[in-house]
Amino acid sequence: EAGVAQSPRYKIIEKRQSVAFWCNPISGHATLYWYQQILGQGPKLLIQFQNNGVVDDSQLPKDRFSAERLKGVDSTLKIQPAKLEDSAVYLCASSFRREGSGNTIYFGEGSWLTVV
Amino acid sequence: KNQVEQSPQSLIILEGKNCTLQCNYTVSPFSNLRWYKQDTGRGPVSLTIMTFSENTKSNGRYTATLDADTKQSSLHITASQLSDSASYICVVSVNTGFQKLVFGTGTRLLVSP
Repeated sequence: EAGVAQSPRYKIIEKRQSVAFWCNPISGHATLYWYQQILGQGPKLLIQFQNNGVVDDSQLPKDRFSAERLKGVDSTLKIQPAKLEDSAVYLCASSFRREGSGNTIYFGEGSWLTVV
Repeated sequence: KNQVEQSPQSLIILEGKNCTLQCNYTVSPFSNLRWYKQDTGRGPVSLTIMTFSENTKSNGRYTATLDADTKQSSLHITASQLSDSASYICVVSVNTGFQKLVFGTGTRLLVSP
């Protein structure tokens, strides 16, 4: 079974530039998550999709971050303009369904962003 | 406020030794508790998932326990190997109609030869 695919793996940009990350979840997984993980901290949820609808984006800095999941499969996360504090790993994850106990959430390898 | 706290923050043990990592949570309503292993530069990988009614679950040399009354969990690693060096993250799922995960900050384990 193919895992959660993310690209690019690494990105270095200057502050005020823009960047986009792409995620392809495991086939058949309805729920997709984007997390931000700053070095030394646990992941923080940015946005959660159920199919192509947003179920939680309460911690997404909407003035600079945007995400979409067209057709309920792939997703992109965009940052524009980037700030130094956006330097982090951006993790995409997916799970089969949104509810119920015990369904495993699978993470991608992450996209490492450095803003200089 | 939903919170997950882990201890110790970091740990160094000798190869072959056992160790236990702790997780305390204040999450309501509780759905399940997960332990993830995160190697440096990689995404988290699920080790165990426990629901309210489960008090122990094993995955190879990893054994997780859950005490829902005291809201505590532990992850015991037996006969540690160099490849166990990683961060171990405790994650509690909140039952809000959809899964909302609350992450701990992790315990960084270094297994030394």
